[in-house]
Amino acid sequence: SQQGEEDPQALSIQEGENATMNCSYKTSINNLQWYRQNSGRGLVHLILIRSNEREKHSGRLRVTLDTSKKSSSLLITASRAADTASYFCATGNTGKLIFGQGTTLQVKP
Amino acid sequence: DTAVSQTPKYLVTQMGNDKSIKCEQNLGHDTMYWYKQDSKKFLKIMFSYNNKELIINETVPNRFSPKSPDKAHLNLHINSLELGDSAVYFCASSQVFGQANSYEQYFGPGTRLTVT
Repeated sequence: SQQGEEDPQALSIQEGENATMNCSYKTSINNLQWYRQNSGRGLVHLILIRSNEREKHSGRLRVTLDTSKKSSSLLITASRAADTASYFCATGNTGKLIFGQGTTLQVKP
Repeated sequence: DTAVSQTPKYLVTQMGNDKSIKCEQNLGHDTMYWYKQDSKKFLKIMFSYNNKELIINETVPNRFSPKSPDKAHLNLHINSLELGDSAVYFCASSQVFGQANSYEQYFGPGTRLTVT
């Protein structure tokens, strides 16, 4: 069964606004990763957060992890039109990542 | 300087045909993967190879046969194509096999397969 599930499935905001995407998972994890997929392209790794971390930053990205709730969130601050893409969380163990269905983000200029 | 490359980018073929997709990575990674992404963007792992050895086979029909001639290449051959095989297939690689969620994966640009 699917491990990660993103919420919302789709999000539309204006440029400059913040975008928040959530991910829930079912089993214990060591780490959780976020990926971005631009239309017609492969996935690009954004950030990895370990299970003993609660928050991690990378540029305009902020990821939080709550292992007690089995959830993570990705915040993109001051969004740009170029952030328009699908965002996936991924968890897994021993050899394979399991991806959620992603959140499709549209940032309107 | 492409990290993970796939060919072809688009593949249109008829039911019953046999086709292959090729993947190469120049990152020096030990582990390579094939994923299938359906029309709802659900991405599912199909196979994983570590140093040319098949590690993961996720209940994929045996019409799909991966082949890894060396650790930089992982090809996917599909026999007797069916309509349901239409999807985007992604190749990926990572540095180390084992705790997969501990290492980022690098994805190719995808191959859009359309079976008519």
